[in-house]
Amino acid sequence: SQQGEEDPQALSIQEGENATMNCSYKTSINNLQWYRQNSGRGLVHLILIRSNEREKHSGRLRVTLDTSKKSSSLLITASRAADTASYFCAGGGADGLTFGKGTHLIIQP
Amino acid sequence: DGGITQSPKYLFRKEGQNVTLSCEQNLNHDAMYWYRQDPGQGLRLIYYSQIVNDFQKGDIAEGYSVSREKKESFPLTVTSAQKNPTAFYLCASSMLARQETQYFGPGTRLLVL
Repeated sequence: SQQGEEDPQALSIQEGENATMNCSYKTSINNLQWYRQNSGRGLVHLILIRSNEREKHSGRLRVTLDTSKKSSSLLITASRAADTASYFCAGGGADGLTFGKGTHLIIQP
Repeated sequence: DGGITQSPKYLFRKEGQNVTLSCEQNLNHDAMYWYRQDPGQGLRLIYYSQIVNDFQKGDIAEGYSVSREKKESFPLTVTSAQKNPTAFYLCASSMLARQETQYFGPGTRLLVL
């Protein structure tokens, strides 16, 4: 079964706007990770937030984690055309990483 | 794509044929993984290995086999028993614990002739 469930499935915004993606998960996790995948390529790790953390930043990325709601969000600020990709959350626990189906983000120039 | 290589980039399989996908890493990682990705879907775990000469089935191991004779290498064989092999196959590795950051190869796309 899939641990993460991203929302929305697809998102299209104008360049320069902020993009927010959400992830819900089902069981207990040690960490929540976000990955990016360009079309036809492998996944690239973006950021990891541990279960005892509430917010983490990395460049234009901001991730939040609410363990009481079993949810996480990824905010990309000042989006660029190069941010167009699919974004996956993955819950990290005793069974390893379990990935959601992803949010496909399109940045319109 | 880091220090993980996968080959070939595209692979064609005929009916009844076994094919092997290569995965090599030079990151000195103990753990390696194989995932399958179908269009518009997330990743599903096929097999994983946390140490040389040992591997475990993932969620969808039927029709697949693996070996881990060297720390650097984790080849995946798609056997004729896998009736729907067309997919994008991704190999990954991590330092130790399975829940930590994984580093992915560029993937192999398998198509059935």
